[in-house]
Amino acid sequence: DIQMTQSPSSLSASVGDRVTITCRASQSISKYVNWYQQKKGEAPNLLIFAASSLQTGVPSRFSGSGSGTDFTLTISSLQPEDFATYYCQQSYITPQTFGQGTNVEVK
Amino acid sequence: QVQLVESGGGVVQPGRSLRLSCAASGFTFSRYAVHWVRQAPGKGLEWVAAVSYDGSNENYADSVKGRFTISRDISKNTLYLQMKSLRTEDTAVYYCARDRYSHVSGSSMDVWGKGTTVIVSS
Repeated sequence: DIQMTQSPSSLSASVGDRVTITCRASQSISKYVNWYQQKKGEAPNLLIFAASSLQTGVPSRFSGSGSGTDFTLTISSLQPEDFATYYCQQSYITPQTFGQGTNVEVK
Repeated sequence: QVQLVESGGGVVQPGRSLRLSCAASGFTFSRYAVHWVRQAPGKGLEWVAAVSYDGSNENYADSVKGRFTISRDISKNTLYLQMKSLRTEDTAVYYCARDRYSHVSGSSMDVWGKGTTVIVSS
């Protein structure tokens, strides 16, 4: 199975900060990476698909990049509603796998 | 509006069976692959299974292979997850999710239900 390793596992940030979360795949997966946001008690929400494509309705402060094994989710200016847990996911091959999550909390 | 609603969760003893359902509405169910994803208490997301748009291709996580069966009824716009030989480690919130495309890999999950809770305990 392909392992997805996210870093950091958690981070503290303030409103307005630029936040970067990385995800490394255990083998090359081209651009088959997606990013999800999950708020406490809610279902996940798709932010970025195919490594860098912004899902409809998602604010443009969210962006994704990378290919092969290394991927990045960036929030350009953190907003109060962005405090949540973020997951990367590979859909290159089944079983599809998620990273362990990154909890973004208030500094 | 586009919606997925899960049902069928509950408390069940180890070794017993349970069937989850996911009712789809607001879109053409037969055009999309669909997935089950679970989340154990306080843990991350775990992909469980997926089925292609026409039911011809099923895929499973190793942790559930041989115990869980995913299926869909196009006439009822409903996805199912039949779970047998349940274990305590199957305790989780189970989400159904729509794939952006018709096949089970190479895409992403763009619509999610709110989840149904399964507790496996004696």
